[in-house]
Amino acid sequence: GAGVSQSPSNKVTEKGKDVELRCDPISGHTALYWYRQSLGQGLEFLIYFQGNSAPDKSGLPSDRFSAERTGGSVSTLTIQRTQQEDSAVYLCASSLTNDPLSGSYEQYFGPGTRLTVT
Amino acid sequence: QKEVEQNSGPLSVPEGAIASLNCTYSDRVSQSFFWYRQYSGKSPELIMSIYSNGDKEDGRFTAQLNKASQYVSLLIRDSQPSDSATYLCAGLLYGGSQGNLIFGKGTKLSVKP
Repeated sequence: GAGVSQSPSNKVTEKGKDVELRCDPISGHTALYWYRQSLGQGLEFLIYFQGNSAPDKSGLPSDRFSAERTGGSVSTLTIQRTQQEDSAVYLCASSLTNDPLSGSYEQYFGPGTRLTVT
Repeated sequence: QKEVEQNSGPLSVPEGAIASLNCTYSDRVSQSFFWYRQYSGKSPELIMSIYSNGDKEDGRFTAQLNKASQYVSLLIRDSQPSDSATYLCAGLLYGGSQGNLIFGKGTKLSVKP
C-alpha cells in the first residue's frame, strides 16, 4: 500500500510569508507526527496527533507554528511569518497507534518537505 | 545523560566486514527500540525493531538489546557500500509527550569498497 506522502517536496518562500505543509499518513494509521531536521542535525520533534487531537504542543518552537489534523487523516503544519531559521526538512511520520502497550507504534516516515526561507 | 545516545562517527568499515553500531539509553527510556537508516538527503527508513532482551535477526541485520547494561546495538554483516548511511536509534520515552519516541543523533557509517 501507499506510504506516508508529503507535499510539497520543496518550498522556497520569502521571509515573512506564511507556508502550509501537508502530510497524508498511511491509511488506517491513527497517530501522526511532525519532526524537523536541519542540515546535519538530529530529528527535532514538533507535535503529534492521536486521531484529531494533539495531546502536547510543547514541541512547537514558537507560536508561529501550528498544526491541525482533520478527519483523523491529513495533517497540515502551518508556519506564519517565516524566518530564515525555519529553513529545514520537515518530516511527517505515522504509526498504527500511539499506545506503547499495543506493539504497533513503529513510525514510518514520509519523504519530507524541504523548506528554504530566503 | 541524554535519553538516547549514539556515537556520531563516522564509523568506517571495509566491504564485507561486520559493522557494529551502538546506542545507550537512560532510565527514562523503556525497553522497546527501533533502528532507522537515513541516506543523505532522504528520510529515515525503519529497518529493525526490538522489544525484548537478547538478539533479533533479519537478514544481514541483527539487533541486540542488553537491558542490564542499557544498550542496544545493530550489527550489519557482510557490509556493502550501499549500507553507507546514518543510522538512528530510537526508544520509547516513559511518560513522554513526544509521541513517546526519542531519537539519538545518529551514527554515520561508511563502507569502503
